[in-house]
Amino acid sequence: DQQVKQNSPSLSVQEGRISILNCDYTNSMFDYFLWYKKYPAEGPTFLISISSIKDKNEDGRFTVFLNKSAKHLSLHIVPSQPGDSAVYFCAALYNFNKFYFGSGTKLNVKP
Amino acid sequence: DTAVSQTPKYLVTQMGNDKSIKCEQNLGHDTMYWYKQDSKKFLKIMFSYNNKELIINETVPNRFSPKSPDKAHLNLHINSLELGDSAVYFCASSQQQGLNIQYFGAGTRLSVL
Repeated sequence: DQQVKQNSPSLSVQEGRISILNCDYTNSMFDYFLWYKKYPAEGPTFLISISSIKDKNEDGRFTVFLNKSAKHLSLHIVPSQPGDSAVYFCAALYNFNKFYFGSGTKLNVKP
Repeated sequence: DTAVSQTPKYLVTQMGNDKSIKCEQNLGHDTMYWYKQDSKKFLKIMFSYNNKELIINETVPNRFSPKSPDKAHLNLHINSLELGDSAVYFCASSQQQGLNIQYFGAGTRLSVL
């Protein structure tokens, strides 16, 4: 029973355009949501997070939106760059104690 | 200088064997984790240790035994390996429990034949 789902295994975007990665969750009690980025042969690295009491957090080219009523969050990357090509994991924190991760979306930014 | 390092990177072994994966962090963090990335690519928490004490133990078979000799190390020992244990195992650490950024190792790909 997966509580965090990323239903798109892959996404291809042209350089300079917007990349939108989506994530759905089932547990309304999650406290925080995070995005991690993973390059091949490396571990995931933290990218951006959002508290469950907010609906938007922005950091440079990266913005995360949270829609609690829909139990949905998304990561926007604009403009997308070839170096953004990686696997992006959505994660949710429960009870400030335990993390649940999605299965990842592989982003390919074409030059 | 790698912050969280796991060894080995690849491990190929026969069913029934016992193997260990080592993890070390040089960040001075208090909390360490083991995750398993299954065939569907989900990263699932297995164990969490805080200052050498077990905090989270998910429903992992007791063939898996974590050992934390000090807070910089969290090793994973697996007895009587089964085919279903084949996966990528990630070690991670964070400054403290809770909402703290986790730093991951590069993963250990375990293949059980």
